[in-house]
Amino acid sequence: EAGVTQFPSHSVIEKGQTVTLRCDPISGHDNLYWYRRVMGKEIKFLLHFVKESKQDESGMPNNRFLAERTGGTYSTLKVQPAELEDSGVYFCASSPLDGGRDEQYFGPGTRLTVT
Amino acid sequence: AQRVTQPEKLLSVFKGAPVELKCNYSYSGSPELFWYVQYSRQRLQLLLRHISRESIKGFTADLNKGETSFHLKKPFAQEEDSAMYYCALRAIQGAQKLVFGQGTRLTINP
Repeated sequence: EAGVTQFPSHSVIEKGQTVTLRCDPISGHDNLYWYRRVMGKEIKFLLHFVKESKQDESGMPNNRFLAERTGGTYSTLKVQPAELEDSGVYFCASSPLDGGRDEQYFGPGTRLTVT
Repeated sequence: AQRVTQPEKLLSVFKGAPVELKCNYSYSGSPELFWYVQYSRQRLQLLLRHISRESIKGFTADLNKGETSFHLKKPFAQEEDSAMYYCALRAIQGAQKLVFGQGTRLTINP
């Protein structure tokens, strides 16, 4: 069974540009989560989808970040316009719809570098 | 508010020595605690969770509610244990997000 996949693995963009990150969860997993780790800090929660609905977006830093999950399958996270402090590793995780109490399976991450 | 603290950013021990990675948390409700591990060039993966009370790869962790701690222990470290370890907390009820500590990089010296 394929795990959570993320694309691209690494992205380098200039400040002010737009970047879109993609996450494909494990097939059949209705819960999808985005996290990020900025340099030197802890991994922080961004938001949680249940199918196509945003269940919890309390961790989204500001309105430059837009997450979507149309159709309840893959998800995209767009940063527009990117700022230097957005650099870091963006992780996606998924879990089955079992009250959300199951293990979260993580993708390999997308390393975003904003110059 | 939920908070997880891992006081050691780096920990280095010799092969065969005991290892303990510290984790303290603060949360007013009932927490579920986890240890995640990231080996070199691999993805983050669950090592163990307090509710399962399992020993994985020789590691154990006991939830101490009095001391609000969930330290990870192994009696005899092996070189393949070298990795980044993250302690994480999740509310038993309500939001399903994981709250992570800053992580501890464990290095096992031969």
